[in-house]
Amino acid sequence: DAGITQSPRHKVTETGTPVTLRCHQTENHRYMYWYRQDPGHGLRLIHYSYGVKDTDKGEVSDGYSVSRSKTEDFLLTLESATSSQTSVYFCAISRVGYNEQFFGPGTRLTVL
Amino acid sequence: VEQSPQNLTAQEGEFITINCSYSVGISALHWLQQHPGGGIVSLFMLSSGKKKHGRLIATINIQEKHSSLHITASHPRDSAVYICAVFVAQKLVFGQGTRLTINP
Repeated sequence: DAGITQSPRHKVTETGTPVTLRCHQTENHRYMYWYRQDPGHGLRLIHYSYGVKDTDKGEVSDGYSVSRSKTEDFLLTLESATSSQTSVYFCAISRVGYNEQFFGPGTRLTVL
Repeated sequence: VEQSPQNLTAQEGEFITINCSYSVGISALHWLQQHPGGGIVSLFMLSSGKKKHGRLIATINIQEKHSSLHITASHPRDSAVYICAVFVAQKLVFGQGTRLTINP
C-alpha cells in the first residue's frame, strides 16, 4: 500500500468554524489531490498540487483553500465550514500527472 | 463518464461485467475499487488493449470510448463499489460507480 495517511479520520464541527485536513505521504510523489465524495455525485476534485507551492483548482474549489510547503504534506482548509461541506474527503497521490493515483483512507467531516 | 449497471447482484462463481463509457478523448482510464469500509484501491490504469490481474480483467477500446471490467469466478469478497475514471487534462473525472454484491 502507498504510504498515505489522512488526519483527522473523523471530525464533527460547527458551521462557521475553520477546519484543516492533512494529507501526509511517504512516497515522495510529485502530485497530490483532494477529492470529496458525496452520494449521487461520486468523487469530485477540489484542488490539486503538482509540486511544492504549486497548486491549482478543481471543479468544486469554492470555499476551500490548500497549501503545500513540503513534498510530503498537502493541507486542505475550510475557512468557514458550512453544512454543504459535510462529506468524505479523500487525498490521493501520483508520481506524475497522468499516472496511477493512490488514495488515502479518507476523512469523514460533519458540519452541524 | 457513464457506468452500467449502477447496481449488480450475482451469485458466487458468476462471470461479472461492468461497463464504462465516456464522451471525450482521453489519455488513460483508471478502474478503482471501494470497499464497504470506504477505502479506495487502484485496480488498473490502461490506455489500450487489455490488462489482467488475478481474476480481474480490464479492456479498453479508445475508438469506441468504452471500457469493461470483468471478474471471473466471482466471490463474496469481490462485493464492493467499482469506479471508472478517465484522465482529462491531467485530472481524473469519475463515474458514479457500480455497486456489486456477490451472494454465497
